[in-house]
Amino acid sequence: SYVLTQPPSVSVAPGKTATITCGGHTIGTKTVHWYLQKPGQAPVLVIYYDTDRPSGIPERFSGSNSGNTATLTISRVEAGDEADYYCQLWDSSTAHVIFGGGTKLTVL
Amino acid sequence: EVQLVESGGGLIQPGGSLRLSCAASGFTFNMFAMSWVRQAPGKGLEWVSSISSSVGGPYYADSVKGRFAISRDNSKNTLYLQMNSLRAEDTAVYFCAKNLKAVPATVMDYWGQGTPVTVSS
Repeated sequence: SYVLTQPPSVSVAPGKTATITCGGHTIGTKTVHWYLQKPGQAPVLVIYYDTDRPSGIPERFSGSNSGNTATLTISRVEAGDEADYYCQLWDSSTAHVIFGGGTKLTVL
Repeated sequence: EVQLVESGGGLIQPGGSLRLSCAASGFTFNMFAMSWVRQAPGKGLEWVSSISSSVGGPYYADSVKGRFAISRDNSKNTLYLQMNSLRAEDTAVYFCAKNLKAVPATVMDYWGQGTPVTVSS
């Protein structure tokens, strides 16, 4: 089955740029979505269709997808961005939703 | 405003059954696919099942296929998850999510707050 690989943790200083990767075989040919989840809360969609932002999500959040890696980039990181981030896609070969293992973003 | 409110969770013995419900409001329920996603304590998100708005599917994770059944009542704007033959590894918070389009092969754009299920003797 299709596997999405994320780094368990990423740390960044406030005001800097955080990059969270999501690796998968030819993931660039698929459509990737990103969610953030804060402790005790439901997931929130932050990027969909690789690069689109839902209304209410700051422009500091952006996405890209090419080759074997999809990337979520958070510019000018704030303390409030600290959360777990998950990538997700639909695997048409199995008709399954696939989630990455999640990345814990720590703001130093 | 889209609202998804799950209910039906609780403590259940191994081998038992439980039915979760998700009451939806703020959108035209019968036009969108719906999904269940779970999260075991301290773990990541795991997709459980999805159902199309009308025809097609349903779809299940291998870990629950044959034990869980997803359904929807469009007249009541409610999504269900019937869980049978429950195991300790089914212990998790179960989230209901709305899909962006009529088919499950799309992003989940709104989520409920979840209902906890604990399988233990």
